[in-house]
Amino acid sequence: DAKTTQPTSMDCAEGRAANLPCNHSTISGNEYVYWYRQIHSQGPQYIIHGLKNNETNEMASLIITEDRKSSTLILPHATLRDTAVYYCIVRVVGAGKSTFGDGTTLTVKP
Amino acid sequence: DVKVTQSSRYLVKRTGEKVFLECVQDMDHENMFWYRQDPGLGLRLIYFSYDVKMKEKGDIPEGYSVSREKKERFSLILESASTNQTSMYLCASSPGGRDSNQPQHFGDGTRLSIL
Repeated sequence: DAKTTQPTSMDCAEGRAANLPCNHSTISGNEYVYWYRQIHSQGPQYIIHGLKNNETNEMASLIITEDRKSSTLILPHATLRDTAVYYCIVRVVGAGKSTFGDGTTLTVKP
Repeated sequence: DVKVTQSSRYLVKRTGEKVFLECVQDMDHENMFWYRQDPGLGLRLIYFSYDVKMKEKGDIPEGYSVSREKKERFSLILESASTNQTSMYLCASSPGGRDSNQPQHFGDGTRLSIL
């Protein structure tokens, strides 16, 4: 699985968009990008995933660059409950396992 | 919504005991996984299974075994618990079998302390 690089921490004002970057410059053509988040004392929660097209669901949007070497998770209107550690993962289909790094600690402030 | 249920949130056991951690999912998923999470080390895969009675080693299988007798249930067994197995244990499931790109869904974890 390709390695990902994320900033250690970020702050965001409540009600504003939170843009969380992820670098995956060694990604290969059959690797998907997944985003999860983990709130203290809970298991990771799936947010969104994609291969090369931008994706949107009720939680967030995923923007993948054309060369697929980086992506951005967008939470359009951050709330205090979005404070969590956010993990960006790349995974080959069929590999099964997901390798989680240290993630980005997002703090949403009033 | 997918529901992955782990039998205990907190568990305290003694060194040398045989420990069973249970995980049940209610979405008929083919794939199930056991991870442990430790500060500074992220989530590490212990074992996974693509089908009933099937199991494959992850990155850190030593000291652990698993059992999958029914599709919905995946058990992690610590054969002889040691203090270095004190950790948060997370179970996950996903649909679609070995070649699926579908995401994994996690339980809330079992915080296991070995004294």
